[in-house]
Amino acid sequence: DQQVKQNSPSLSVQEGRISILNCDYTNSMFDYFLWYKKYPAEGPTFLISISSIKDKNEDGRFTVFLNKSAKHLSLHIVPSQPGDSAVYFCAALNPKTGGATNKLIFGTGTLLAVQP
Amino acid sequence: EAQVTQNPRYLITVTGKKLTVTCSQNMNHEYMSWYRQDPGLGLRQIYYSMNVEVTDKGDVPEGYKVSRKEKRNFPLILESPSPNQTSLYFCASSLIGGINGYTFGSGTRLTVV
Repeated sequence: DQQVKQNSPSLSVQEGRISILNCDYTNSMFDYFLWYKKYPAEGPTFLISISSIKDKNEDGRFTVFLNKSAKHLSLHIVPSQPGDSAVYFCAALNPKTGGATNKLIFGTGTLLAVQP
Repeated sequence: EAQVTQNPRYLITVTGKKLTVTCSQNMNHEYMSWYRQDPGLGLRQIYYSMNVEVTDKGDVPEGYKVSRKEKRNFPLILESPSPNQTSLYFCASSLIGGINGYTFGSGTRLTVV
């Protein structure tokens, strides 16, 4: 049972435009969400996070939006750059289990390709 | 440089031949974990450790063992590898509660034939 879902396996965007990556979750107990970025032949690296008490968090070109009622979060990259081409994973923390164990539940990932 | 180091990066082995993938971190993190990445399934947790001599199963522990004798090392052991364990493996570490600080290794691509 996939508790964190990224329904778009891939996304192609022109350089300079906005990239929007989506993530849905099923467990309303999740209270902290993260996005990780992964280049080929490297491990995932932390990108940005958001707590469930907020609906938006911004860091430079990256903004994460959280809609708790819809159990949906999205990552916006503006403007997109070729160096942003990577696989993006969203992840969720369940405070009932994850808070005590640091466990993150990851989505399946979205491959973003930014075309020059 | 703060990092998680996994070895080997690539490994091809035969069914049933015991192998160990090593993981070492230099950040004095209490928490360490192993994940496997498979197409369409994302990252799934195999085992984790909250501190020395404290380990527990993740979501897909079957066929794997781990140990945590020292804080910095968390090896993943496949006693009798099978082809369904062909995957990309990642080790990660963090401070307890420091979830933004999940540092991943570069990965180990394992093929079991």
